Amino acid sequence: EPEVTQTPSHQVTQMGQEVILRCVPISNHLYFYWYRQILGQKVEFLVSFYNNEISEKSEIFDDQFSVERPDGSNFTLKIRSTKLEDSAMYFCASIRREGLIDTQYFGPGTRLTVL
Amino acid sequence: AQKITQTQPGMFVQEKEAVTLDCTYDTSDPSYGLFWYKQPSSGEMIFLIYQGSYDQQNATEGRYSLNFQKARKSANLVISASQLGDSAMYFCAIPNAGGTSYGKLTFGQGTILTVHP
Repeated sequence: EPEVTQTPSHQVTQMGQEVILRCVPISNHLYFYWYRQILGQKVEFLVSFYNNEISEKSEIFDDQFSVERPDGSNFTLKIRSTKLEDSAMYFCASIRREGLIDTQYFGPGTRLTVL
Repeated sequence: AQKITQTQPGMFVQEKEAVTLDCTYDTSDPSYGLFWYKQPSSGEMIFLIYQGSYDQQNATEGRYSLNFQKARKSANLVISASQLGDSAMYFCAIPNAGGTSYGKLTFGQGTILTVHP
C-alpha cells in the first residue's frame, strides 16, 4: 500500500540553524500539507501546497518557513533560523482529490529538537 | 471556520470492553467529512475511520464505528472489544471541503485512551 514517507525521523539542531525536513508524498497525489504538533498539544496546520505553489498558510507559517517541491517526488519544509519554540513533531500529508472529501494520509513525522 | 471539540482529556477502559470517545464539531460547509486518527506513543498519525455528512449509515471499520448525529453535530468514535494496543491519543478532525483551503484539517485537542488489563 502506498504511503507517505518522511526523513529524518529525528533532527536535533542548534538555535539559529537552518533545517530542511523532507517528505515523499504518495506518487499520484496532488495536494500536500505540513502540520506541526508541539509535545502534548493538538496537531496544527502549517501550510498547504498545490500546483507548485502555496494555497494557504497559517499564522504559524511566518517568513522563516518555506516549502518547496524541487522535483516530482520530494516536498520539503525549510526553517531558516530555528527557535526553541520550533521544537515539535512535523507531519507531512497528501491527498489526490478524487471527490468532495479525500482521506488524508500522514507520514510518520519528523521530531525536531532545537537546543 | 471549522471547529472541533473533544471534551475528554483522558479516558480509561477495561480490556475487552467498549469505549466511546466524544467529538463535536462546527462547520459552515454544506457537505463535509469527519476523520478519526490514532496517535500511539511512537508518534505517527494513523487514519482510523471517516464519516461523510451525507452518508446514510454510520461508518464502521472493524472494531471502530462512528456514532454520527448530524443534528447534534457530533461524531463519537466507538471502539469495541478494547485491546491493550488501543492505548493511544485519539484525534477527531474535520477538513475544509473547497477553495484554497481544500483538505486542510482542523484537529480537536485529543483524548488519551488507556486500556487496563
